[in-house]
Amino acid sequence: ETGVTQTPRHLVMGMTNKKSLKCEQHLGHNAMYWYKQSAKKPLELMFVYNFKEQTENNSVPSRFSPECPNSSHLFLHLHTLQPEDSALYLCASSQVTREETQYFGPGTRLLVL
Amino acid sequence: KQEVTQIPAALSVPEGENLVLNCSFTDSAIYNLQWFRQDPGKGLTSLLLIQSSQREQTSGRLNASLDKSSGRSTLYIAASQPGDSATYLCAVKPTGFQKLVFGTGTRLLVSP
Repeated sequence: ETGVTQTPRHLVMGMTNKKSLKCEQHLGHNAMYWYKQSAKKPLELMFVYNFKEQTENNSVPSRFSPECPNSSHLFLHLHTLQPEDSALYLCASSQVTREETQYFGPGTRLLVL
Repeated sequence: KQEVTQIPAALSVPEGENLVLNCSFTDSAIYNLQWFRQDPGKGLTSLLLIQSSQREQTSGRLNASLDKSSGRSTLYIAASQPGDSATYLCAVKPTGFQKLVFGTGTRLLVSP
């Protein structure tokens, strides 16, 4: 088990629902990330937060809305998703240095019906 | 744009074999390269991190090499075991960026 936890682990939602994914890191890191892993595609970075400020948005549709209230917590708010948004959503954290590795959570498996 | 390719996409070997997984990347301007392991339905576990100034890293039965100029890395697994069965992902951190760029992975099955 890593120092990064994610809830829920599995989520099924309709296209009109609103839901939120939660990530918490217990490693004292100051950067947090959301990645998307779709079947047969490489992991793609979605958002980066450094010291609670968003520093990267990798052209993610507005139906995905991140929130970082402090350095330990990261949320991904979901609304009016499409079936093609079904994927494994992974959260990661690290120190803000170029040498540091990123530590990943177990992910939330999302199915959009 | 940095792209990472992993070959083969899948590999099946009997227990005890030594094996090599390959990773190539298109832009040599990187801070580091990492190898991760992912078990089905789980997150990623970092195996080895090689900084751009390094040539290789070792951890137990694992050895990873980096040839930055040619855009290649290999992960060598010695005396494979069924517990090594997983997907192995290669990722580079491009210079000037905080993100990791991942390959699609090699799915390894080690049979008893």
